[in-house]
Order: sequence, then structure tokens, then C-alpha cells
Amino acid sequence: QSALAQPPSVSGSLGQSVTISCTGTSSDVVSYNRVSWYQQTPGTAPKLIIYEVSSRPSGVPDRFSGSKSGNTASLTISGLQAEDEADYYCISYTSSSTIYVFGTGTKVTVL
Amino acid sequence: EVQLVESGGGLVQPGGSLRLSCAASGFTFSSYWMTWVRQAPGKGLEWVANIQQYGRDKFYVDSVRGRFTISRDNAKNSLYLQMNTLRVEDTAVYYCARDDCRGGNCYPNFEYWGQGTLVTVSS
Repeated sequence: QSALAQPPSVSGSLGQSVTISCTGTSSDVVSYNRVSWYQQTPGTAPKLIIYEVSSRPSGVPDRFSGSKSGNTASLTISGLQAEDEADYYCISYTSSSTIYVFGTGTKVTVL
Repeated sequence: EVQLVESGGGLVQPGGSLRLSCAASGFTFSSYWMTWVRQAPGKGLEWVANIQQYGRDKFYVDSVRGRFTISRDNAKNSLYLQMNTLRVEDTAVYYCARDDCRGGNCYPNFEYWGQGTLVTVSS
């Protein structure tokens, strides 16, 4: 089971929007609405920011949104803030024996 | 308040063994699947294993299957990861997290995580 594909980095200016893609296969992203997104800053544990493609846990700002089309899930950060600078990972349930597969991770830089 | 606290990490030689523990509090431990995730230095996240509430069902990533064993003790509110035949590439911070499996389906919604414990495999 290969990792889901994410761009290594994306950047945007304060207040702009950025979108991170997460590309999978028919074994995972295509077939299941079980895609989550995590935010991680250096030296800390990951934080859940989107679950089941587009739902937000309580306390997560609504500038974070998720969607899915075909084999690609996406995380959009609208109105980019300085504190959004972090690494972001997608993860999906997969029908393989592994059951979960993470994405390769994307570093978001706020210019 | 939900708390997960890992312990047991350290330096071990290739081929050696180590057992990680995760102490849980603030929720009914026996009601939840639990998961281990690892992160090699400077690298991305990798899901390692998870276990059903009563230990009946367990799943592993291919790279550790046959070498690692996940287990739990609900009486002690504790999760474990027995790691045998360790390799240099197992070097990572290991996190435990509360999993979300319901109605026979698992969802990668890890709302609660520990702080992680570092395992270094080196001669």
C-alpha cells in the first residue's frame, strides 16, 4: 500500500487561500468517505482538523474546509493566518490489509 | 480531560526488542479501539497498528506485521506495542491515539494523541 500523494509544499500570503491535494486510488479515497486531515507543528503531536472528508471537530476554525472528487481529497485554508504555517497530512481508510494510509505530507508556508 | 501518555522508548540495537506503553485516562478506555502511529526523524506520519476494544481484532502496516504485536490491558487502561527484531528504519517517535471504529467500520479520526516516545535503533 503506497502513501497517498500530496504536494511537498504550498505557500500563500496572509489572507489568501491555499488548497492541498491528496491523491489516492480506488482502494481508498475513491471508495470511502473516510478521509481525515491533520495539522502538525514542530515537536508536537498531530491535530485533527477535518474528518470524514469535510467535517470539522469543535474548535477548529471554519477557514479550514475539506472536499473530495474522484481519487483526490482536498484541504482548503481560506484567509491564511500566520499560525497556519505547519505540516498537513491526509489519511484514508483503505481496503487493503493495512486499513489506514497516510499521505506524504505538505508543508504550508505563510509568506 | 482525555490524556494519553506513552513510555518505554529508548536506544536499542538492531535485532533487539522494546515494549512501548500508553497510559490512558479521562475516558472509558475499554470502549474504544486504539492506534499506534510513528514518525521517523524529519519524515511523515505512518500508521502502525490498531486494536479492537477487547483485543480480538488487530491490524498492522505491512512493514511491521510479524515483528510487532499490539495489545491492551483494559483493567490497567493501558495500550502496548511489543517491538521485536527491530531495524534501523523503525527509528521514530511513536504516538498512541484513540481510534474511531464503530458499526464494523473504522475511521481515521484520531482526536486524541499522546506526546510520543522516541525509539532509536542503532548500533
